[in-house]
Amino acid sequence: ILNVEQSPQSLHVQEGDSTNFTCSFPSSNFYALHWYRWETAKSPEALFVMTLNGDEKKKGRISATLNTKEGYSYLYIKGSQPEDSATYLCAFITGNQFYFGTGTSLTVIP
Amino acid sequence: SQTIHQWPATLVQPVGSPLSLECTVEGTSNPNLYWYRQAAGRGLQLLFYSVGIGQISSEVPQNLSASRPQDRQFILSSKKLLLSDSGFYLCAWGNSFEAFFGQGTRLTVV
Repeated sequence: ILNVEQSPQSLHVQEGDSTNFTCSFPSSNFYALHWYRWETAKSPEALFVMTLNGDEKKKGRISATLNTKEGYSYLYIKGSQPEDSATYLCAFITGNQFYFGTGTSLTVIP
Repeated sequence: SQTIHQWPATLVQPVGSPLSLECTVEGTSNPNLYWYRQAAGRGLQLLFYSVGIGQISSEVPQNLSASRPQDRQFILSSKKLLLSDSGFYLCAWGNSFEAFFGQGTRLTVV
């Protein structure tokens, strides 16, 4: 299976802090990269679909960038809030196959 | 249409009892299938993935096992459950455009 790595595995930040984490994937045969937000006991929620090198997407306080040549994507959260606590999951898509990362678990401390 | 079915939604099992969670996919063929677990205080774990019938890769050593008897069927099993097996289990697959997630199974081992 292709290696899709996310780092860090877990993260604790104070409310109001900004934070970011990484999804690393193979730089060849790239089709798309997805970011999901997964709260405990719920199905993951789609955040971003990124397809072009240099893509930047934003949704409220959350944004993401994509570098397909070097094989990484960053997810940024500005001014973290307790409701941002969740696992953030990336998925690398090549052809018609998904390869999920292992997730970054974010805890925002009030 | 492409969908994924996972059952049961909730399960309470005694320690030492067996487990069988089933996931079936519709509307695609030869998908990569995944089993994830989210346990309290432990974040997201990729348990098993399968790239085809009879092909199972394990990410986390434990007393769980997985099988893929048919192209669109992925089963998570245990012969004897442990208290530490409690958690939220999620089956997933994706195509080029989106990921599909099962409804999840909340397993409580008592």
